Amino acid sequence: EVQLVESGGGLVQPGGSLRLSCAASGFTFISYEMNWVRQAPGKGLEWVSYISSSGSTIYHADSVKGRFTISRDNGKNSLYLQMNSLRAEDTAVYYCARRWNWFDRWGQGTLVTVSS
Amino acid sequence: EIVMTQSPAILSVSPGESATLSCRASQSVSSDLAWYQQKPGQAPRLLIYGASTRATGIPARFSGSGSGTEFTLTITSLQSEDFAVYYCQQYNDWPPYTFGQGTKLEIK
Repeated sequence: EVQLVESGGGLVQPGGSLRLSCAASGFTFISYEMNWVRQAPGKGLEWVSYISSSGSTIYHADSVKGRFTISRDNGKNSLYLQMNSLRAEDTAVYYCARRWNWFDRWGQGTLVTVSS
Repeated sequence: EIVMTQSPAILSVSPGESATLSCRASQSVSSDLAWYQQKPGQAPRLLIYGASTRATGIPARFSGSGSGTEFTLTITSLQSEDFAVYYCQQYNDWPPYTFGQGTKLEIK
């Protein structure tokens, strides 16, 4: 069974940092491109970051460029999102999502709250 | 950036009836359009990809149509579990991937 399990969310002060993880199982992780998508409370879905299967190609949304970094460890079947210089508007549930052109599998999400 | 616009924002329909949700792209996305369902407190779930192909395990009462800039998700014989928020997403021209703002399907 395909599983994506996010962790690492929590409460952080503005300007702080947080590292999210996504543990993948039930499929050949190295064969898939991965993404992070977020959802602010009561709002819609916003794509955040993409990483190719090898990790050689990375894209970030303009809203997080220069502050967030996506990475992966194929040996550990894990996806990461390093979030620096966090702002109140980064408050959201963060989902990891497997890409097959579309996003065919999603994790359950981890909540990040940026507040003083 | 391709802007996706969904209508209506809220749709009230009675169980057993049909619902038609619309999604419009600001420029052509060919058939590179997906639909997702999201229930409260849950992650989105893929329903439709390629504008009209149902994902694995999705009931036949869900159907997608359209190409270019105009797309429709139709749900027939609405069941209680179908009341949720639905999002469309284009994957034709990225980054960025872009989603519509969602349509909330509620019980009338």
